[in-house]
Amino acid sequence: SQELEQSPQSLIVQEGKNLTINCTSSKTLYGLYWYKQKYGEGLIFLMMLQKGGEEKSHEKITAKLDEKKQQSSLHITASQPSHAGIYLCGADLSGGYNKLIFGAGTRLAVHP
Amino acid sequence: DGGITQSPKYLFRKEGQNVTLSCEQNLNHDAMYWYRQDPGQGLRLIYYSQIVNDFQKGDIAEGYSVSREKKESFPLTVTSAQKNPTAFYLCASSDRGTRNSPLHFGNGTRLTVT
Repeated sequence: SQELEQSPQSLIVQEGKNLTINCTSSKTLYGLYWYKQKYGEGLIFLMMLQKGGEEKSHEKITAKLDEKKQQSSLHITASQPSHAGIYLCGADLSGGYNKLIFGAGTRLAVHP
Repeated sequence: DGGITQSPKYLFRKEGQNVTLSCEQNLNHDAMYWYRQDPGQGLRLIYYSQIVNDFQKGDIAEGYSVSREKKESFPLTVTSAQKNPTAFYLCASSDRGTRNSPLHFGNGTRLTVT
């Protein structure tokens, strides 16, 4: 969806390196979700951000929400091969009715 | 374990045939959704249902139909009117009673129409 832009489209990093994926919305965000997808499989929920300035972490993945900029970032520290996959951001632009739209995804490869 | 089951994982059909994709959840969620995923694109919403016996069109509903006769089931029919049916289809559910509750996804059905 052009309402939700992700960058970069793809990323190749060496194991142990840090990386950041960005998600920018053209509209007001009522909730921002990060998911991970292995090729040909469903989406696995990572984190949800609701308030401007909110930051959440799970293991080596940290997500932040800049509400004023209508932008979220996903940061992976010391990447591992298990982090490889497609990362998608989803946003609720419907005012809380869970009608999510999704970005096109960022394909991440981590080389040993 | 609670979750969402989509079946089959792979589906092949001839052009002109209708086909129904199954989605069942045992999470006791009120809301269910169907998304379509094409290579290089994000997920696009086809239909969603907030409660039994009610559903609404998403952004790309043309050529698709759904029903919601039971809380746990939300089958999607891809009709012959859908011009480009070959895609990866994902079903999801959420707790409608909780504002901004995350969507839980099934493992998808890959439909190929030739």
